[in-house]
Amino acid sequence: AQSVSQHNHHVILSEAASLELGCNYSYGGTVNLFWYVQYPGQHLQLLLKYFSGDPLVKGIKGFEAEFIKSKFSFNLRKPSVQWSDTAEYFCAVNGLWSNYQLIWGAGTKLIIKP
Amino acid sequence: EAQVTQNPRYLITVTGKKLTVTCSQNMNHEYMSWYRQDPGLGLRQIYYSMNVEVTDKGDVPEGYKVSRKEKRNFPLILESPSPNQTSLYFCASSLSSLAGGSYEQYFGPGTRLTVT
Repeated sequence: AQSVSQHNHHVILSEAASLELGCNYSYGGTVNLFWYVQYPGQHLQLLLKYFSGDPLVKGIKGFEAEFIKSKFSFNLRKPSVQWSDTAEYFCAVNGLWSNYQLIWGAGTKLIIKP
Repeated sequence: EAQVTQNPRYLITVTGKKLTVTCSQNMNHEYMSWYRQDPGLGLRQIYYSMNVEVTDKGDVPEGYKVSRKEKRNFPLILESPSPNQTSLYFCASSLSSLAGGSYEQYFGPGTRLTVT
């Protein structure tokens, strides 16, 4: 079965540290890739997405992600995190193989120490 | 304000007592979906609907029913809840699931269900 893997379930960083959260998927065809974020007590919301074009995509709040097709990866990055980035981050993928339904990773809980 | 609403937000019930979780969106979206979120498993899709009167099973449909009689509403029905359905449930909508699946999904606030 197709799957989405997020390597770290919990990450703890200090403010101003750089962030990289890993996401790998197992399907070799055309894919759409998403990162969603869930801040404490809030709805899931879209951070950024890739469906074509420049593999380096920029999202809200200074986040970016790079699609590396050869590595089946879509890692999320931020050069300098803030306390307000404390949240749970989810990677999701879809494609023709999933009838365009999203397949989700297990999520990464990020805690930023002030 | 554009939003997806769910009710109730919290529910504690007993095994076998039928319940319905409502979901409504005011964005005229064609596509709606139900997910459950469990620790360490991420979100898993229960059912989805491409449009009115069109519904389909997701990855974990057992024990759930849905209906889509109007574009804005997509209720989730548990005919005979069991403890393994204790979970956090999210409803989501998007403009369409066509166009290659690239549309953003908008999520409701979640319903935390406990079945004892």
